Amino acid sequence: DTGVSQDPRHKITKRGQNVTFRCDPISEHNRLYWYRQTLGQGPEFLTYFQNEAQLEKSRLLSDRFSAERPKGSFSTLEIQRTEQGDSAMYLCASSLWGGTSSYEQYFGPGTRLTVT
Amino acid sequence: ELKVEQNPLFLSMQEGKNYTIYCNYSTTSDRLYWYRQDPGKSLESLFVLLSNGAVKQEGRLMASLDTKARLSTLHITAAVHDLSATYFCAVDIGQGGSEKLVFGKGTKLTVNP
Repeated sequence: DTGVSQDPRHKITKRGQNVTFRCDPISEHNRLYWYRQTLGQGPEFLTYFQNEAQLEKSRLLSDRFSAERPKGSFSTLEIQRTEQGDSAMYLCASSLWGGTSSYEQYFGPGTRLTVT
Repeated sequence: ELKVEQNPLFLSMQEGKNYTIYCNYSTTSDRLYWYRQDPGKSLESLFVLLSNGAVKQEGRLMASLDTKARLSTLHITAAVHDLSATYFCAVDIGQGGSEKLVFGKGTKLTVNP
């Protein structure tokens, strides 16, 4: 296993279009997280899943954003009716909760979204 | 609302010098993380600090945690150019393990020859 992967790595879209990102966590990891990072800032938490259950959503996650993890493996993050303010790096992370090192989150390479 | 403050936000230092980056946070937590990020790249885990008094070292970097003071430090010894990057601290505010991380704004470190 080579770590957390994300697809696509870059996405350029026009304002008003819908986009979907995919994250594949480390295979045995049961928790999956989405963060957003804008230029010059630290990542901000968006939401996380334990297996297929979405346990928490940030108030940053407006109703245009939806995330799923249907079978407790990969996850998708969809943004509807994109706005220029959605331009950011979207980071996915995973962790093994309940294991001997259940605290560490491993980050993927990110998807950089540019809304024109 | 939890606040995580790093200082300095920008640090320019000469090779061979020592310096410390500070991370203060505003609520109780005993789990703190340090990450490194190179430009355009994702986050690389450096240290996981899980208890008061924890100290970890890797190469020229050493991190410590004082949960009573709500303070973590990242000390750089004899800096080299390869350490140039942005360093983030993050506090885990979950109840039972790794939940959501709250990050500082990052410290952009430039090491000059």
